[in-house]
Formats: sequence, C-alpha cells, structure tokens
Amino acid sequence: DGGITQSPKYLFRKEGQNVTLSCEQNLNHDAMYWYRQDPGQGLRLIYYSQIVNDFQKGDIAEGYSVSREKKESFPLTVTSAQKNPTAFYLCASSDQGGAETQYFGPGTRLLVL
Amino acid sequence: GEDVEQSLFLSVREGDSSVINCTYTDSSSTYLYWYKQEPGAGLQLLTYIFSNMDMKQDQRLTVLLNKKDKHLSLRIADTQTGDSAIYFCAEGSRSQGNLIFGKGTKLSVKP
Repeated sequence: DGGITQSPKYLFRKEGQNVTLSCEQNLNHDAMYWYRQDPGQGLRLIYYSQIVNDFQKGDIAEGYSVSREKKESFPLTVTSAQKNPTAFYLCASSDQGGAETQYFGPGTRLLVL
Repeated sequence: GEDVEQSLFLSVREGDSSVINCTYTDSSSTYLYWYKQEPGAGLQLLTYIFSNMDMKQDQRLTVLLNKKDKHLSLRIADTQTGDSAIYFCAEGSRSQGNLIFGKGTKLSVKP
C-alpha cells in the first residue's frame, strides 16, 4: 500500500518543550514538504526538501527545524521558539520539486497544554 | 510574489452544479491543480490541467482554464452532500520549488 503516513494524529505540547512530527513516504519521491494550516489561512509552507541531505526554508520557517537523512523520511521539529504552535500540520511529497503533483498525508493536529 | 486567490465560501443545493473559481498571477504556470479537503483530513488530489489545455472533464468534474485572464474554475455537476469540503486551487511552474496554494473555498451543500 503506497502512500504518506504522519504520526501521531494528535500531539500535545507543554510550554517550552520541543516536539517532533513524523512523516514517512513509500512512493520513492525525491521531494517532501511541510505545511501549516490555520483556519481561514490556507496552507503555509514551512520547509521543503528536494533531495536527501538538503532542505530549504519556506515562508514561515522560524521556530521549526527539519532533517532529511533518508529519502522516505522528513521529520519536523516544533521548537520552544515557536510561540503559537497550535495548528494542523500537513506533510506532502512529489516525484520531483517545482510544478509536480504533491500527495498529502493525513495530517497531525498539534495542541498546546 | 506569486499569488492564488479564491473566494472563501460557496453554498449550493443538492443536485445543483457548483462552480469554484480561482485566479493566479504566475504567467509561467505549467500545471494547475484542484485539491479537496474533508474535515480533519489531508488534501486529496481531485484533478489537474496543463497550461496548454482549455478544458478537462473527469466524470462530474469539469475544469476550465482561461490562460489569458489567468482564471481557473472547477465545476461539479449534480453536487451531493458528500461534496461538502474545502477545495484548494494550486499552481506550479518549473521555476518554483513548490506549488502555490489558494486559501481554499468551503463548499456547503444543503439537502
């Protein structure tokens, strides 16, 4: 069964804590993306990676960090520097970057305690 | 920077046609996409159109592209309550590193 998985579905963060959201794909895609979705805001790009061991900042990278050590995995860490982390986080992948079709995971909802 | 605009809400009656509109600014766009998002879920690819096409039809879905006006529309025939969702328009060009998404149109279908 090919696709993109995200875990956990819900995540709770205490103030001052770093948390990591998982994203895995078995589509053999080169490019992976992280988006943040707030109500009425659409999707905002946090980070993207077009190839292993390389990634670029998106529009709202402050307070987030990523790594791309393996082709199939692109974890996102929400650091304590992100003051308003409550949102729905979506991971996507595409065969290549640029205009290619992106396929999305089911999302992780992050809530602050 | 490049931008994609959509109206935020659309309400239709079950059985009617729905038309969701989108405008974009990047004249070098090569692909234009429509995605559907149901509550609490990720985005599902509905359809896409190449920039050298005017129209694409796929069962109940019809996509129209006016490249001169940079206007894209998605028509859903015989709209059902299961079509209630948020619909995102997105454009991509080979020069960009990612797709540019609109803010989404929330479609409500009343029985």
